[in-house]
Amino acid sequence: KAGVTQTPRYLIKTRGQQVTLSCSPISGHRSVSWYQQTPGQGLQFLFEYFSETQRNKGNFPGRFSGRQFSNSRSEMNVSTLELGDSALYLCASSTLAGSNTGELFFGEGSRLTVL
Amino acid sequence: GENVEQHPSTLSVQEGDSAVIKCTYSDSASNYFPWYKQELGKRPQLIIDIRSNVGEKKDQRIAVTLNKTAKHFSLHITETQPEDSAVYFCAASSGYQKVTFGTGTKLQVIP
Repeated sequence: KAGVTQTPRYLIKTRGQQVTLSCSPISGHRSVSWYQQTPGQGLQFLFEYFSETQRNKGNFPGRFSGRQFSNSRSEMNVSTLELGDSALYLCASSTLAGSNTGELFFGEGSRLTVL
Repeated sequence: GENVEQHPSTLSVQEGDSAVIKCTYSDSASNYFPWYKQELGKRPQLIIDIRSNVGEKKDQRIAVTLNKTAKHFSLHITETQPEDSAVYFCAASSGYQKVTFGTGTKLQVIP
């Protein structure tokens, strides 16, 4: 069974640009979450989608947005990039469908550098 | 919202010794407490988790304890080995896959 796949793995952007990151969850997983990982802040929750609906959102500005498609694949977008957006963006999928939280299966991440 | 604090930020132990990492959480509604291990350059992976209806859980050399009253939980690794060297993250969740992570503990096991 293929794991969580994220593309692109690495990208470099300049301030003011926008970026779209993609995540394909493990087959059968309908929940997809996004996290920002930085050396000082650890992993910070961005948002979670289940069946194309955003169920939860973290404390990030509106420049960060996401969506999920009917095949459970998800994308996140960051507009008007700032230097502080440089980070590893991790996607995670999960099998759980209800209100409980379960194991997160992470992808390898997309490393974004903003110059 | 939930806040998870994790200590220590770095931990060095001799091979064979025990390692303990402690976390506190703020939201009394949190009911799921996972621990993830992230090796250098790799993705985080779940090593053990505990739900709020259980006080302790063990899996070979790893154990987690939970004190709901005090809102703290701990990871215990016994007989540490060099391959245990990694960053460990505690986390808490009150549901719907919204997981709040601690800032991580870098564990170094010295051979």
